[in-house]
Amino acid sequence: DIVMTQSPDSLAVSLGERATINCKSSQSILYSSNNKNYLAWYQQKPGQPPKLLISWASTRESGVPDRFSGSASGTDFALTISSLQAEDVAVYYCQQYFSTPPLTFGGGTRVEIK
Amino acid sequence: QVQLVESGGGVVQPGRSLRLSCAASGFTFSSYGIHWVRQAPGKGLEWVAVIWYDGNKKWYSDSVKGRFTISRDNSKRTVYLQMNSLRDEDTAVYYCAREEVRSPFDYWGRGTLVTVSS
Repeated sequence: DIVMTQSPDSLAVSLGERATINCKSSQSILYSSNNKNYLAWYQQKPGQPPKLLISWASTRESGVPDRFSGSASGTDFALTISSLQAEDVAVYYCQQYFSTPPLTFGGGTRVEIK
Repeated sequence: QVQLVESGGGVVQPGRSLRLSCAASGFTFSSYGIHWVRQAPGKGLEWVAVIWYDGNKKWYSDSVKGRFTISRDNSKRTVYLQMNSLRDEDTAVYYCAREEVRSPFDYWGRGTLVTVSS
C-alpha cells in the first residue's frame, strides 16, 4: 500500500501570509506514460464533505482561487496558500489515486488563523 | 447539477447490519465509478470500497473486507453499501464520491452518519 504522510498536523498563519502543507508518498505516484503525478488535494470545512482543490499534483479545479497552488518534487508534494484568507480555515488532505486498491489519504493538516 | 445523496445511516448495535444508499443525479451515472469513504468522529478520511462504472469490479479496504458489500443498480442510479457484523470502530460519517477512471473524486455527497453502539 502507498502511505501518504502529511506535515504538519496543524499550522496557524496570519491573514495574508503564506501557508504550506507537505505530503510525501512512500513510493512514486508518477505514471511514466503521461508524466502525471496521481496526487490530489482536498479541503474540508467543518460539517462539510471534502472539496477537490487540485488534481494531478498541480492542476487547480475550476473555481478554486489562484492563491491555491500545488507542486511536486519526486515523492514530495506541497499545497501552498499564497495569502491566507479567513475562509481558508479548514483541514486539508492529500490523496494518491495512482495505485488502488487501496486508495490512500494523508492524515490531514488543520489550518487556522494566528 | 451533479448530486450524490447518501441515506440509510443510523444507530445500530454491534454485530448487526445496515445498508447505505447513494443516489446520483445530474450526470451519466453508468460512466463513473463510485467510492465509499468514511470519517470517524474527529478523525481523517478512510477509503472503504469502490465499484466500477459497470459493476464488474469491486474492491474493499482490509478493515471491511468480508463484512461489507458494495453493489450498484444503474437503472436506479444508486450504489449500495451493505454493512454486516458492524463493530464500534465502524462508527463514522460515510460519504459516497464519484470517480472518472483513474481520476480524483470531483463530487462528494454530504454523508450519512453510522453509529455502532450498544
